Amino acid sequence: DTGVSQNPRHKITKRGQNVTFRCDPISEHNRLYWYRQTLGQGPEFLTYFQNEAQLEKSRLLSDRFSAERPKGSFSTLEIQRTEQGDSAMYLCASSLFAGNNYGYTFGSGTRLTVV
Amino acid sequence: AQTVTQSQPEMSVQEAETVTLSCTYDTSESDYYLFWYKQPPSRQMILVIRQEAYKQQNATENRFSVNFQKAAKSFSLKISDSQLGDAAMYFCAYRGTSGTYKYIFGTGTRLKVLA
Repeated sequence: DTGVSQNPRHKITKRGQNVTFRCDPISEHNRLYWYRQTLGQGPEFLTYFQNEAQLEKSRLLSDRFSAERPKGSFSTLEIQRTEQGDSAMYLCASSLFAGNNYGYTFGSGTRLTVV
Repeated sequence: AQTVTQSQPEMSVQEAETVTLSCTYDTSESDYYLFWYKQPPSRQMILVIRQEAYKQQNATENRFSVNFQKAAKSFSLKISDSQLGDAAMYFCAYRGTSGTYKYIFGTGTRLKVLA
């Protein structure tokens, strides 16, 4: 168990470019979450996968955002035509099963800066 | 909709002293989980302590304990014998017991530990 891994750790991109982040959850965890954290705020829910199925998306997830989790393993979050307002820390978390009161395991996040 | 409020943006404590971080929440649900997470600078979020709403007994983990007041919807974190390594952002989080099990986070409290 090597924890939740996120890559890259940092990404600087020009406005209008596309970016993709990757999250590798703990191998036996079937639930995977994406959150966004802006400066001075707590993380906000973006989307959730149970195995390979994307079961909920927040209203924060505009049409420019897409997430996948092929085969229920790693997940990718893509942002198309990035805007300066997309600058944030993108956190991935995983958990084993519903009702797990031990909480999630978080990754270290990908910090996106749009210039 | 559930909300979580942390009214203390920043707190300071002398090394070896005790500090209490406040959190209030709002929900219409009767069963839920509450968490405190620690986020050191540029590092991943770590679970500090959790509380099940149906348990009246306050949770304790070594130097960390909570004061859970369900009727008042209050969930404070007490850190005893504060250490330099306790310096971090602390987030209070709420999670329901059905659906996506997504977290609702507060805005965080930055804890400074003074030597």
